[in-house]
Amino acid sequence: EAQLLESGGGLVQVGGSLRLSCTASGYTFSNYAVNWVRQAPGKGLEWVSGITGSGGGTYYADSLKGRFTISRDNSKNTLYLQMNSLRAEDTAVYYCAKEILSTSKGSFDVWGQGTMVTVSS
Amino acid sequence: QSALTQPPSASGSPGQSVTISCTGTSGDVGSYNYVSWYQQHPGKAPKLMIYEVSKRPSGVPDRFSGSKSGNTASLTVSGLQADDEADYYCNSYGGSNNVIFGGGTKLTVL
Repeated sequence: EAQLLESGGGLVQVGGSLRLSCTASGYTFSNYAVNWVRQAPGKGLEWVSGITGSGGGTYYADSLKGRFTISRDNSKNTLYLQMNSLRAEDTAVYYCAKEILSTSKGSFDVWGQGTMVTVSS
Repeated sequence: QSALTQPPSASGSPGQSVTISCTGTSGDVGSYNYVSWYQQHPGKAPKLMIYEVSKRPSGVPDRFSGSKSGNTASLTVSGLQADDEADYYCNSYGGSNNVIFGGGTKLTVL
């Protein structure tokens, strides 16, 4: 069974940095794109970033304006999200999510349990 | 790109059918057959219910179906059950390697 497990969330001050990790198991990690999706408290889902299976393609929501960097280490079955210049509005649960097919776009069939990021002033 | 538009709420009685809409633009929903629907229970991670407009992942009951017409996609839940009560989100590929979510619809089973 495919599984994803996030870690690295926590409390950080405005302007600070944080790196999230997502470890995959139960499937061939390098065969699928993975993404980060966040959900602010009481709000809806927001796509943050995605990366191709090989890591050669990285994509970001326009609203992030270059503050976040997605990467992956296929030898470690791990996805990362480096978040810099954090703002209060980045406070959210961050999920990693896997595409259902190698060709799909935005169809996430496996999700982690989420990791909470709180940005405080 | 703006979020896709969903009604904030929907409701139906057990056994009935309910349809939730998801309206985008000619640049996202209208251009690509990459519309997905997710169910989210409180405190839980989202669950994929429909992908590529109308395909069901393994294990999703056929009571859930999806369709699209023009810039609007729809999720229909037939034979409503108590456990269907949840938040439902659509998303669409928006071109240029972007993914756009809808604002979510709270489905209440009366």
